[in-house]
Amino acid sequence: QVQLVQSGAEVKKSGASGKISCKASGYTFTTYAINWVRQAPGQRLEWMGWINTGNGYTIYSQKFQGRLTITRDTSATTAYMELSRLRSEDTAVYYCARWDGRIYTFDIWGQGTMVTVSS
Amino acid sequence: QSVLTQPPSVSAAPGQKVTISCSGSSSNIGNNYVSWYQQLPGTAPKVLIYENNKRPSGIPDRFSGSKSGTSATLGITGLQTGDEADYYCGTWDSSLSGAVFGGGTQLTVL
Repeated sequence: QVQLVQSGAEVKKSGASGKISCKASGYTFTTYAINWVRQAPGQRLEWMGWINTGNGYTIYSQKFQGRLTITRDTSATTAYMELSRLRSEDTAVYYCARWDGRIYTFDIWGQGTMVTVSS
Repeated sequence: QSVLTQPPSVSAAPGQKVTISCSGSSSNIGNNYVSWYQQLPGTAPKVLIYENNKRPSGIPDRFSGSKSGTSATLGITGLQTGDEADYYCGTWDSSLSGAVFGGGTQLTVL
């Protein structure tokens, strides 16, 4: 079935970088964009950026410009999100989500990856 | 501060109806489709409504959506205890060139 499976929880030190993977299956990977959305404990969903999985083009939220890198490996049908210079405020659950441009919605979500940043 | 504004919480008794509002602006709701997502405790969000008022297959018709101008509304009828969750509206913001979400509304079924 169509699904996105993310890598496991991580604990990082302040100032370090963290990279999460999102493995897609059950559909043609390059047909749909992959977005990254995070949710700090008890907080709202926050969109971070997305990647056109076909050509690799990316758009990042202004908030994360310079710290966020989204890539993809089409042969592995996997998208990656790397956030650098981590700080305590980056402690959150990170989700990848498939954007279906035909119906303008995030129709499939990964299970989430908890990233804890400690000093 | 969220770009889209939702009430923090709503509550109603089982079997009753509830509505959740989502207020935005011309750069987001006013000119783009709205989706609604349900997030059960400890799980990832799931789309309930897309393109303002359409339901994906498998979503019961107890859930409905509407949009007027720069506001959108999610309606849930025949409330069940299993509907207790956080509900988020979401859309694209043309000024920000990115997706935006509301602050979320916690539904309690009393």
